[in-house]
Amino acid sequence: KAGVTQTPRYLIKTRGQQVTLSCSPISGHRSVSWYQQTPGQGLQFLFEYFSETQRNKGNFPGRFSGRQFSNSRSEMNVSTLELGDSALYLCASSSGQGVLNYGYTFGSGTRLTVV
Amino acid sequence: GQQLNQSPQSMFIQEGEDVSMNCTSSSIFNTWLWYKQDPGEGPVLLIALYKAGELTSNGRLTAQFGITRKDSFLNISASIPSDVGIYFCAGLYAGNMLTFGGGTRLMVKP
Repeated sequence: KAGVTQTPRYLIKTRGQQVTLSCSPISGHRSVSWYQQTPGQGLQFLFEYFSETQRNKGNFPGRFSGRQFSNSRSEMNVSTLELGDSALYLCASSSGQGVLNYGYTFGSGTRLTVV
Repeated sequence: GQQLNQSPQSMFIQEGEDVSMNCTSSSIFNTWLWYKQDPGEGPVLLIALYKAGELTSNGRLTAQFGITRKDSFLNISASIPSDVGIYFCAGLYAGNMLTFGGGTRLMVKP
């Protein structure tokens, strides 16, 4: 069973640009969540998509957005990049249903550097 | 918002020693999860706890869901060099949104 696949693994962007990150969940998983990890703030929840609908949203500005496709693959977009957006962006998938199915499986992440 | 206090922040121990780390919260959680993260990789789920008071083992790892639902601990027995990494606790109250602790960095002296 393939794991969670995130692409690209590394990305360097300039301030003001926008970026799109991709996540393919484990086959059969319908929930995809995104987290930002920085040394200062740790792991912070961005948003969760389930069956193409945003189901939960964290406390991030509107520059951070996402979507999910019918095959459960998800993309995350950050517009007007700031230096503080440099982070490891992690995607996690789960079945998203039932109390015993919230153990996420994380991908290896996309390391975004904004210069 | 909810916050998880994880301690200690780092530990430097001798191979073979037992390790204990814990997380506390001012809010209750319905699920506690423990993850390990290696450099350059995403966190890997070690143990999931679903009921207050639950004690669960996974090999040399043992974790408990506190009876007040506001805390959890993770023990590692007889540590080995590959235990090196950052351990995170995470709590889930409702929905599918995890709140993470700040992590415990474990270093093992051979």
